[in-house]
Amino acid sequence: GAVVSQHPSWVICKSGTSVKIECRSLDFQATTMFWYRQFPKQSLMLMATSNEGSKATYEQGVEKDKFLINHASLTLSTLTVTSAHPEDSSFYICSLSGGMNTGELFFGEGSRLTVL
Amino acid sequence: GDSVTQMEGPVTLSEEAFLTINCTYTATGYPSLFWYVQYPGEGLQLLLKATKADDKGSNKGFEATYRKETTSFHLEKGSVQVSDSAVYFCALSHYGQNFVFGPGTRLSVLP
Repeated sequence: GAVVSQHPSWVICKSGTSVKIECRSLDFQATTMFWYRQFPKQSLMLMATSNEGSKATYEQGVEKDKFLINHASLTLSTLTVTSAHPEDSSFYICSLSGGMNTGELFFGEGSRLTVL
Repeated sequence: GDSVTQMEGPVTLSEEAFLTINCTYTATGYPSLFWYVQYPGEGLQLLLKATKADDKGSNKGFEATYRKETTSFHLEKGSVQVSDSAVYFCALSHYGQNFVFGPGTRLSVLP
């Protein structure tokens, strides 16, 4: 299956700063990647679908100016949390679809953001 | 729309106990069904999947059978280990798109 790598795995930042999380597909050309957010002891919440070369599609209730997504190449999507606040602290996970061939999602290791 | 329901956790078992985590779904058509596992501090990993009715997915001693008549995909393991402690997510998708996840069930296995 596809190998998906996220960086950083854990970041602590001060309130008001911006944080960028990278998601790389190491062995698969991904035209589409997905960004999820996970609160402690809760399920995954799909934030947005990242499309290579075009604008991301955000789920209802997700602020696109707050969570900037860039998918500049077939192997890299980035999520930037702008002007982070403590309520943005969460576990962010990216994934990509193996498409109809495998029918499954491949996930990155996740990135834990803590905003002080 | 499509939805997935899982039994609420946490589930706490002793080592070598039998495990069942119930999962039922509501969907149009014939989705593929998945169980993903999330170990502490990590992303999700595919545990097993089934793509059509009566298919049985199996991996690492875990099994689940796609039951169309009861719209279920219950996860079972005959003898759990401490290392199985994790959160388990049931999910469905259509042709690798539009994944829908259940809320997750936290399993703790005590030695």
